[in-house]
Amino acid sequence: DAGVTQSPTHLIKTRGQQVTLRCSPISGHKSVSWYQQVLGQGPQFIFQYYEKEERGRGNFPDRFSARQFPNYSSELNVNALLLGDSALYLCASSWGPFGGYTFGSGTRLTVV
Amino acid sequence: KNQVEQSPQSLIILEGKNCTLQCNYTVSPFSNLRWYKQDTGRGPVSLTIMTFSENTKSNGRYTATLDADTKQSSLHITASQLSDSASYICVVSGNQFYFGTGTSLTVIP
Repeated sequence: DAGVTQSPTHLIKTRGQQVTLRCSPISGHKSVSWYQQVLGQGPQFIFQYYEKEERGRGNFPDRFSARQFPNYSSELNVNALLLGDSALYLCASSWGPFGGYTFGSGTRLTVV
Repeated sequence: KNQVEQSPQSLIILEGKNCTLQCNYTVSPFSNLRWYKQDTGRGPVSLTIMTFSENTKSNGRYTATLDADTKQSSLHITASQLSDSASYICVVSGNQFYFGTGTSLTVIP
């Protein structure tokens, strides 16, 4: 079985641009969460979706948005990129909203 | 305030030696505690998970302990290998997931 897959693996954007990151959960998993991990720090929670509905939101500005599709895949959108948005963006999936999460390998976003 | 603190922040040990990483938390309510290993540039990989009633859980050379009374956990690595070099993150699950900032472990030959 494929694990959690994220795309792209690496991305370079300029300030002010918009970016869309994609995540495909493990087959059968209905919950997807997004995390931002700045170099040298632990992941910070951004969003959780379960059954296509937002179940949780971290302390991130409205420039960050996400959605979950009927096939349970998910997209994370970030508008008006700032240099500080440069980070590893991790997606994690789980069967239920509180189950053990499996992480993807992440998308490395660099904003220049 | 719900927090997860890990120590030490970084650690360098010789190959073959043992080490212990610490995690203290103030999360309430408490559901479970996980230790993850994260290689540079990759997503975290779960090593162990413990609920309130469990106080020891092993996964190969990794042994995690949990004291729910003092809200402390430790991850003991036995006979370290070069491939153990990574960040080790403690994650406590309550109403949501709370991440520690991790311990960076470097194993040198």
